[in-house]
Amino acid sequence: DVQMTQSPSSLSASVGDRVTITCRASQGINNGLAWYQQKPGKVPKLLISAVSTLQSGVPSRFRGSGSGTDFTLTITSLQPEDVATYYCQKYDSAPLFGPGTKVHI
Amino acid sequence: QVQVVQSGAEVKKPGASVKVACKASGYTFSDYYIHWVRQAPGQGLEWMGRISAKSGGTDHAQRFQDRVTMTRDTSISTAYLELRSLRSDDTAVYYCARGHISGASFFDYWGQGTPVTVSS
Repeated sequence: DVQMTQSPSSLSASVGDRVTITCRASQGINNGLAWYQQKPGKVPKLLISAVSTLQSGVPSRFRGSGSGTDFTLTITSLQPEDVATYYCQKYDSAPLFGPGTKVHI
Repeated sequence: QVQVVQSGAEVKKPGASVKVACKASGYTFSDYYIHWVRQAPGQGLEWMGRISAKSGGTDHAQRFQDRVTMTRDTSISTAYLELRSLRSDDTAVYYCARGHISGASFFDYWGQGTPVTVSS
């Protein structure tokens, strides 16, 4: 079975910092990768699909990249409202989420 | 506008069953899959399965294969998740979410979540 890992599990950064979250699949997933943001007590929100396609209304400071088994979510300038847990999810076959990365300020 | 509204919180005893409803509006219900995702307290997201709103065909995560039934009623644009033989570790928020129009299993609209508590 494919496994999804994320690193780090949590991070603390300052407003304006560039933040990078890594997601790794144990085998290739044909670029079927999405990223979600879940703020405390809220419903997950789709940020990015197909590795790098930003969803409508999502700020351009969020960027997705990668291929094969290694993928990255970058927040180019961290804002206070970005405090959340971020999940990657593969969807090439049976959907599977990564364990999440909690972002603090 | 697309809306996905779920039924309210449930408290169940171990061994019981729960049925969660997910009503969609603002789009053509039969054009999409509805997926079910759960989140235990303080934990991550876990995909449970999906149902084609058009055909009623389902796919489940293997660990839920024997305990889950997903159905839908196209006349009222509502999908249902039934989970049987509840255990304490089934305590979670259960979300329904709409799959992408392409059929790809990522989720663009989510319900508000239905908390299910399993406790004796």
